[in-house]
Amino acid sequence: GAVVSQHPSWVICKSGTSVKIECRSLDFQATTMFWYRQFPKQSLMLMATSNEGSKATYEQGVEKDKFLINHASLTLSTLTVTSAHPEDSSFYICSAGTGGTYEQYFGPGTRLTVT
Amino acid sequence: AQTVTQSQPEMSVQEAETVTLSCTYDTSESNYYLFWYKQPPSRQMILVIRQEAYKQQNATENRFSVNFQKAAKSFSLKISDSQLGDTAMYFCAFIRNTGTASKLTFGTGTRLQVTL
Repeated sequence: GAVVSQHPSWVICKSGTSVKIECRSLDFQATTMFWYRQFPKQSLMLMATSNEGSKATYEQGVEKDKFLINHASLTLSTLTVTSAHPEDSSFYICSAGTGGTYEQYFGPGTRLTVT
Repeated sequence: AQTVTQSQPEMSVQEAETVTLSCTYDTSESNYYLFWYKQPPSRQMILVIRQEAYKQQNATENRFSVNFQKAAKSFSLKISDSQLGDTAMYFCAFIRNTGTASKLTFGTGTRLQVTL
C-alpha cells in the first residue's frame, strides 16, 4: 500500500515552453502533497506544500508564477513549470500524506531537462 | 526553524562490516520525529528507520539501528553486516509532530559506498 506515482519519469522540453508533472496517490487519499527539487549530488529542497482544494504554500525564494501547483483532487497534484529555462533542469520529487498521521510517501521522481 | 546537519559527505565500508552515519539537528520543538531515508541510484526515496522523539528507546529495523541522543540532538544510523545493496545516499530528516503530514527538513546527505 501507500504508492505514489509520478508522470512522466523523464521529460525533455525546449526553452520557453511549459511542462506539467503529475503526482498521484494510487491507493490512498492524499490530503497534503509536497513538491521537492533535487540538484545532482545535493539534498531535497522543499518547493511547496499543497492541500487538496487550497492554494499551495510556497517556500521562500520559489517563484509561484513559474512553478504552478494544483491539487484539485485527493489523488492528484500537478506541478507546471512555465516558460522553462535550462536552469530549471533538475529532478523533481513529490510526496503525499494523509490526514491524522505524519507519514508521507515519495514518488519515484521526474527528471526534467530543458534544452 | 529546524536544521539538520550531516558532516560526512562520503563514507565507504567493506561488505559485512559495520558503519555509522552521523546526524545532528537543531530545534526548539519538543515533539518531533526523526528519519533516515535511503536514495539508491534509482533515486526513489526509501524510508529506512524512524524515531519518535518522546521515545527513549532507540529504534531498530533488522540491520539498521539508531543512536538517538535527545539532549545532544544527535541521531546516528548504524548499518550492521553491510551489503552491496546498501550503496546509496542517506539523508537524515526531521519533522515536527503536528498530527498530520508536514514538511520534512533534510540534511545534506552522506554517500555510502559498500565495497567487496
